[in-house]
Amino acid sequence: DAGVIQSPRHEVTEMGQEVTLRCKPISGHDYLFWYRQTMMRGLELLIYFNNNVPIDDSGMPEDRFSAKMPNASFSTLKIQPSEPRDSAVYFCASSTRTGTNYGYTFGSGTRLTVV
Amino acid sequence: QKEVEQNSGPLSVPEGAIASLNCTYSDRGSQSFFWYRQYSGKSPELIMFIYSNGDKEDGRFTAQLNKASQYVSLLIRDSQPSDSATYLCAGVLTGRRALTFGSGTRLQVQP
Repeated sequence: DAGVIQSPRHEVTEMGQEVTLRCKPISGHDYLFWYRQTMMRGLELLIYFNNNVPIDDSGMPEDRFSAKMPNASFSTLKIQPSEPRDSAVYFCASSTRTGTNYGYTFGSGTRLTVV
Repeated sequence: QKEVEQNSGPLSVPEGAIASLNCTYSDRGSQSFFWYRQYSGKSPELIMFIYSNGDKEDGRFTAQLNKASQYVSLLIRDSQPSDSATYLCAGVLTGRRALTFGSGTRLQVQP
């Protein structure tokens, strides 16, 4: 199992540009989560999907952020336009609903720097 | 008040000692709790979870949950320098499916 795969690992972009982060969850996991981590705010939930359907997007900061999950093996998080305050590490995680342990498996993260 | 609260540390312990990491939560209806370890520049890794009052042991790690006091802890016995990392406490809060994370406690194990 290759685990949760995120791309790119690092992204440096100029303010105002569009940024797209990608995630491939573990096969068979029907929950997918997007988190953002900063020193000031820690790990914050942005949005999560169940069976490709967005369930809770209350953590999405503003309309500049959008997320999609067109199929069970792919999700994107888009920021348009990007701002310096969006600089953070963005993690994707997936889990399965079976069993009592539904701890997440995290991807390696995308470190986003907006200059 | 933060929903899941941790002391940021750093907590410094000598090699071989017991490290005690603590976490409190505000929602009395919270269910399961999870401990994650995160090395610098890496992603969080699940250590263990607990959902019943009492202790749960897994190797050198023991998780403790006290729902009456709204308190979760992680004990690491025979601490090793390789245990030096940030430890994140996370809970499943009432009405939510997604984990809510604390800000983490940085642990330093001195050789």
